[in-house]
Amino acid sequence: GNSVTQMEGPVTLSEEAFLTINCTYTATGYPSLFWYVQYPGEGLQLLLKATKADDKGSNKGFEATYRKETTSFHLEKGSVQVSDSAVYFCALSHISGNQFYFGTGTSLTVIP
Amino acid sequence: GAVVSQHPSWVICKSGTSVKIECRSLDFQATTMFWYRQFPKQSLMLMATSNEGSKATYEQGVEKDKFLINHASLTLSTLTVTSAHPEDSSFYICSARLATGFAYEQYFGPGTRLTVT
Repeated sequence: GNSVTQMEGPVTLSEEAFLTINCTYTATGYPSLFWYVQYPGEGLQLLLKATKADDKGSNKGFEATYRKETTSFHLEKGSVQVSDSAVYFCALSHISGNQFYFGTGTSLTVIP
Repeated sequence: GAVVSQHPSWVICKSGTSVKIECRSLDFQATTMFWYRQFPKQSLMLMATSNEGSKATYEQGVEKDKFLINHASLTLSTLTVTSAHPEDSSFYICSARLATGFAYEQYFGPGTRLTVT
């Protein structure tokens, strides 16, 4: 089957700290992987994506590398800002299907 | 590009009434849209898949007679919560699917906060 597992939060970091949010997946075939971000009271926004093994998605200082050997897609940022405080969702999808599979989300709070 | 809007952004209704939520893809056509429900501090729960020109496909446990979905055009899907009750209060999010060559991407609306009193 298909599923996504994220590290549980909440995560609290000081400004300029290094961020890692772990995400592992189980999937049939070769899915595409995504990170979405949800700011308070808003819908989800696509943060970055990777469509095949060893691809690195990046956006706004965030990065994630599609690791087929470890079935992982960990989100990283070298120096977080207060404005990065949000909930982050890891997800996968297949070109052949409708379904997006989301992780449970990880809440990040960055304090000044 | 790839913007999805929802209307209204929030709504308060009385128990027993019905409320309609619209989901529009503003700059692309979407044959498939999705409706999610999100409870506080939880992930998104897929309620149904809305296909233009055909009946929606509901996930197990979702009452199709209570959550009516209509995908009338390639840019509009509506969710009607019928005979709403307080337990239907939630954050409803729609998304529209866009094929991008190697995968589908989903673009999400900003969500609709429904409160049933």
